[in-house]
Amino acid sequence: GAVVSQHPSWVICKSGTSVKIECRSLDFQATTMFWYRQFPKQSLMLMATSNEGSKATYEQGVEKDKFLINHASLTLSTLTVTSAHPEDSSFYICSASGGSQYNEQFFGPGTRLTVL
Amino acid sequence: AQSVAQPEDQVNVAEGNPLTVKCTYSVSGNPYLFWYVQYPNRGLQFLLKYITGDNLVKGSYGFEAEFNKSQTSFHLKKPSALVSDSALYFCAVRVGGNTPLVFGKGTRLSVIA
Repeated sequence: GAVVSQHPSWVICKSGTSVKIECRSLDFQATTMFWYRQFPKQSLMLMATSNEGSKATYEQGVEKDKFLINHASLTLSTLTVTSAHPEDSSFYICSASGGSQYNEQFFGPGTRLTVL
Repeated sequence: AQSVAQPEDQVNVAEGNPLTVKCTYSVSGNPYLFWYVQYPNRGLQFLLKYITGDNLVKGSYGFEAEFNKSQTSFHLKKPSALVSDSALYFCAVRVGGNTPLVFGKGTRLSVIA
């Protein structure tokens, strides 16, 4: 199956700093990437959908100025958590869709963000 | 709007016994249904999907699921559980195209030796 990577796998930062998370599709072109957030022992909540070359579409309640998403190429999307606060601590997971496996999303391994 | 229900937070089963993890869905249109498994601090691993065709879908690690349109269900099953199957299982649905998946809340499966 297709491979999606995320970097970093975990990050600890101070409150007020910004953190960038990368999501890459390694062996296929991802026309669409999705960003999810998962709180402990809870399900995945969709944050935003990004199509290559377009502005991301954010779900209701997700602050677009706080969670900046860029999908500049068919293999890379980035999520930047700006001015992070402890309540932003979470597990962030990206997924990618496109190419021959049109109906399937391939998930990255996730990034654990801890804001002190 | 699409939704997925996983009615059980936790399922416990003895090793070697059959297991079932339940999932029901609600969509407008034809559903594309998926099962994923998540191990601690890891991303999601794809198990199987139903798009069209045979209602019984076979997937990875001996898992299978049956699409039942009349009951709007897509229960995950395995004939003989392994301790290594212990994990968090998510059912998800989308309605085609590059639309995002909508996930159930997850069911924690514990297989006891």
